[in-house]
Amino acid sequence: EAEVAQSPRYKITEKSQAVAFWCDPISGHATLYWYRQILGQGPELLVQFQDESVVDDSQLPKDRFSAERLKGVDSTLKIQPAELGDSAMYLCASSLGTGAEQFFGPGTRLTVL
Amino acid sequence: AQSVSQHNHHVILSEAASLELGCNYSYGGTVNLFWYVQYPGQHLQLLLKYFSGDPLVKGIKGFEAEFIKSKFSFNLRKPSVQWSDTAEYFCAVDGSTLGRLYFGRGTQLTVWP
Repeated sequence: EAEVAQSPRYKITEKSQAVAFWCDPISGHATLYWYRQILGQGPELLVQFQDESVVDDSQLPKDRFSAERLKGVDSTLKIQPAELGDSAMYLCASSLGTGAEQFFGPGTRLTVL
Repeated sequence: AQSVSQHNHHVILSEAASLELGCNYSYGGTVNLFWYVQYPGQHLQLLLKYFSGDPLVKGIKGFEAEFIKSKFSFNLRKPSVQWSDTAEYFCAVDGSTLGRLYFGRGTQLTVWP
């Protein structure tokens, strides 16, 4: 069964350092989502791509976060510089299109010290 | 912006007990509704969804949910829980044209054998 792949699974970094997360969606899925899940809360959308274009980044802290999906396939989410409050689970999801079922990856657990 | 409320943060039941998890949302337009489940150590996965039609929706593993439009609710039910149902359950709503999901904070269900 096809799955969304994410790496790394765990990342520990010091504040002010740069971190990057990678996501490989299910083959053929045009829509890709990055969510942040703080402990004790539900996932919150950071950015949504349709192919290589950003369609929603209204909740992305653009002063420190960036995301790209250059060829419309895999995607990278970057934080620079990381802050203590960025400690969270970062989830990637993909779907065939907007409004279709979203399939989630295992996430990257980020700890900022 | 839409919001989703899950009333129970932690529910503890014995096997064979009945389950009902509450979910209310705030959005006046047409919505798509979802319940996701995260078993220990696993990815978020779709339990069931409501797009239109019969407001009583059946999902995997014997779960069902009822959409009550007048109450803005989408409660999850199971007549007899099993130890293997121990997991975190998330209600999510999509009322946008972009397929953006708004999640509740989740309910941790613990089932004792």
